Amino acid sequence: DAKTTQPPSMDCAEGRAANLPCNHSTISGNEYVYWYRQIHSQGPQYIIHGLKNNETNEMASLIITEDRKSSTLILPHATLRDTAVYYCIVRVGSGGGADGLTFGKGTHLIIQP
Amino acid sequence: EPEVTQTPSHQVTQMGQEVILRCVPISNHLYFYWYRQILGQKVEFLVSFYNNEISEKSEIFDDQFSVERPDGSNFTLKIRSTKLEDSAMYFCASRGLGSYNEQFFGPGTRLTVL
Repeated sequence: DAKTTQPPSMDCAEGRAANLPCNHSTISGNEYVYWYRQIHSQGPQYIIHGLKNNETNEMASLIITEDRKSSTLILPHATLRDTAVYYCIVRVGSGGGADGLTFGKGTHLIIQP
Repeated sequence: EPEVTQTPSHQVTQMGQEVILRCVPISNHLYFYWYRQILGQKVEFLVSFYNNEISEKSEIFDDQFSVERPDGSNFTLKIRSTKLEDSAMYFCASRGLGSYNEQFFGPGTRLTVL
């Protein structure tokens, strides 16, 4: 799986959009970009994933650059409960289940009141 | 909303003892995983399990570890002879059919080895 690079920490004001960048310059054509988050030692929580098109769900939006070498996770209206470590993970899908996730150190997002 | 559950939430054991951590994955999921997170460190993949056999395992998952799906609902991780360095939070996850579906994680079991 391709390596990802994320800033170690970011601050965002409550109610504003939080934009979390991820660099994955060695991504290959069949690899998806996944975002998970971990709130204070709870189990990681899936947020969103995409291949090359921008994606949106009830939690967030994912913007992937045209060359697919980087992406941005957008939390449109951050709340204090969004304070967490956010992980960008690149992986190939595997029909046989050989798809353990490789977590990096992620970005610690702190939402300020 | 369906969720992955894990028991116990906290397990304390003596070094050298065997422990079994239990997980109940989401009912229609077919792929199961164990991860661990040593305090203050990254979440690390241990093993994935599909169709009653291990699909993939990491270097951490040595002969001291084993997994089993003893019935239609439980998925267990056994550590045969615990070491101090096995102290960590252990997370179970499950995934539905479809190569790119997300993994759903349980709340974790905190294992403390004394």
